[in-house]
Amino acid sequence: DTEVTQTPKHLVMGMTNKKSLKCEQHMGHRAMYWYKQKAKKPPELMFVYSYEKLSINESVPSRFSPECPNSSLLNLHLHALQPEDSALYLCASSQETDSGGDNEQFFGPGTRLTVL
Amino acid sequence: GQNIDQPTEMTATEGAIVQINCTYQTSGFNGLFWYQQHAGEAPTFLSYNVLDGLEEKGRFSSFLSRSKGYSYLLLKELQMKDSASYLCAVRGFYFTGGGNKLTFGTGTQLKVEL
Repeated sequence: DTEVTQTPKHLVMGMTNKKSLKCEQHMGHRAMYWYKQKAKKPPELMFVYSYEKLSINESVPSRFSPECPNSSLLNLHLHALQPEDSALYLCASSQETDSGGDNEQFFGPGTRLTVL
Repeated sequence: GQNIDQPTEMTATEGAIVQINCTYQTSGFNGLFWYQQHAGEAPTFLSYNVLDGLEEKGRFSSFLSRSKGYSYLLLKELQMKDSASYLCAVRGFYFTGGGNKLTFGTGTQLKVEL
């Protein structure tokens, strides 16, 4: 199984709503990532989890709250978002963050988020 | 910090060869990746270079020169399905948090025509 799954595929929410994005992988990877991608732009790193601990937070606003309940799951909790937060949110995983080699990241299909 | 440059768009003919260039400036360089991304889909891994030279994988090859901060992706025998965005991504050591992180270039939108 070389798949990263994400739910939901699409999400529309108001600025006062609370919602969560979910990501799952069963490749035994110990590193998981959240990226944000705006139209015609590259993915931008938001958070990195390594061995279920937050290792990188790219100065993301607190209205985005990541959570890693176990080594296979990664959540992104959303609260009081702004319309400019509308984007494709991609989850990825890799074997580790510290190793070299072709430790490529496997990406999920993403959640298309629209904030009204 | 990291700075990665790629051409925004390229057009090529089916069956031809195309070379997509990427230049980068980074600290703590630890590898360069090429990803393909079709519209509305997730990026998929194409190739990886960490040492200077050419890596070949079927119709795709990637080259790296660390001293020049330069890489290219070579696509041979182009097919219509190769129309996509090609992302150059540099892995660098994240000095503050430890570990490595991947920084993507802006991507090159390749259009393959008949």
